Amino acid sequence: TQLLEQSPQFLSIQEGENLTVYCNSSSVFSSLQWYRQEPGEGPVLLVTVVTGGEVKKLKRLTFQFGDARKDSSLHITAAQPGDTGLYLCAGVEYGNKLVFGAGTILRVKS
Amino acid sequence: KAGVTQTPRYLIKTRGQQVTLSCSPISGHRSVSWYQQTPGQGLQFLFEYFSETQRNKGNFPGRFSGRQFSNSRSEMNVSTLELGDSALYLCASSLREANYGYTFGSGTRLTVV
Repeated sequence: TQLLEQSPQFLSIQEGENLTVYCNSSSVFSSLQWYRQEPGEGPVLLVTVVTGGEVKKLKRLTFQFGDARKDSSLHITAAQPGDTGLYLCAGVEYGNKLVFGAGTILRVKS
Repeated sequence: KAGVTQTPRYLIKTRGQQVTLSCSPISGHRSVSWYQQTPGQGLQFLFEYFSETQRNKGNFPGRFSGRQFSNSRSEMNVSTLELGDSALYLCASSLREANYGYTFGSGTRLTVV
């Protein structure tokens, strides 16, 4: 099983600040997905990146897939309290299996 | 359209008992996967079903099993429950391949006492 290292584990920032979450692996994945999970609920898919070097934007969120398809980043601009949650990256491994990173707990204070 | 529905939401069982969890995927989704989420291990893959066939299995003991019915609904069963089986069990469905992304249910919170 391939491993995904996600950093940082925890982020506490003020409203309006920018932040970046990283997801790294020594292995290649066919795609990288980012999910956001709130307490008591299941993860919700934010984006899927498939092509090396791909950049996708979702309002204030920017997702990037590394050229070698081994790493990805999530950048949030001007964070808001509503962005608070657990952010998970997941790589698609052979056999339609998702390998998840440990997650980043983001807390945005108003 | 309706999302992924998991029942029950909460369950308390005694060590040694068995439990069955249910998942109804989004209509038209034929792939159903199960994940276990714990604070210490995070989200771990249990198994995936497609058209009633188990396509892939994670590294869990044989006490964990599942099946999928012709209407794509899925069940997972855990026999001889252990305290360490306490977790949030998540079901996810996908239209085709995992690269398209999964829709997760809200999960079943299982507590083993």
